[in-house]
Amino acid sequence: EVQLVQSGAEVKKPGESLTISCTGSGYVFSSYWITWVRQMPGKGLEWMGRIYPVDSYTNYSPSSQGLVTISSDKSVNTAYLHWNSLQASDTAVYYCARHGVRGNQNDAFDLWGQGTSVTVSS
Amino acid sequence: EIVLTQSPGTLSLSPGERATLSCRASQSVRNNYLAWYQQRPGQAPRLLMYGASTRAIGVPDRFSGSGSGTAFTLTISRLEPEDFGVYYCQQYGDSLCSFGQGTKVEIK
Repeated sequence: EVQLVQSGAEVKKPGESLTISCTGSGYVFSSYWITWVRQMPGKGLEWMGRIYPVDSYTNYSPSSQGLVTISSDKSVNTAYLHWNSLQASDTAVYYCARHGVRGNQNDAFDLWGQGTSVTVSS
Repeated sequence: EIVLTQSPGTLSLSPGERATLSCRASQSVRNNYLAWYQQRPGQAPRLLMYGASTRAIGVPDRFSGSGSGTAFTLTISRLEPEDFGVYYCQQYGDSLCSFGQGTKVEIK
């Protein structure tokens, strides 16, 4: 089955670090860009950035640049989203998604992970 | 960055009715790289339409997309109970992709 499986829910304190993951299966993981999308409670979808697993080339949205790091390890078909120092405003559900229609950087997202809930609270 | 504005914010309709959702871009979307997603409560988004008018795999033909440049429309010809949820447009023609704020389609 073609799928993206994300790591489980996290509860963290402000200032702590965190890495969440997104593992692809059923397809050639390194051939498709992976994007990360944030959804704050009760709000819409926000694009955060993307990575190409072949060479780990990344793009970030202006609002995410410098606040998170996107990385990947093609040997284990996994992309990551990392925070060095979480803030309460990072509380959200985070989705990974595959650029799957054409496999390009500029592409729609045809396959989504189930989402990872991150709660940051003191 | 291209800003997408969706209207209306909420659409209250009955099953069997026609739904028309609008998405307007602050500047022309390159190659009409405009997608629509459906999100049901507690679920991940699902791709419905890409390239403004091409249905994704498995999407029923009651869904159709149209438009070009800066004005796009998603039409659901006859609403089914499973169609209620939030719909987002997204442009992916720019180096920085962006989503609209969403249209909620609710049961009247």
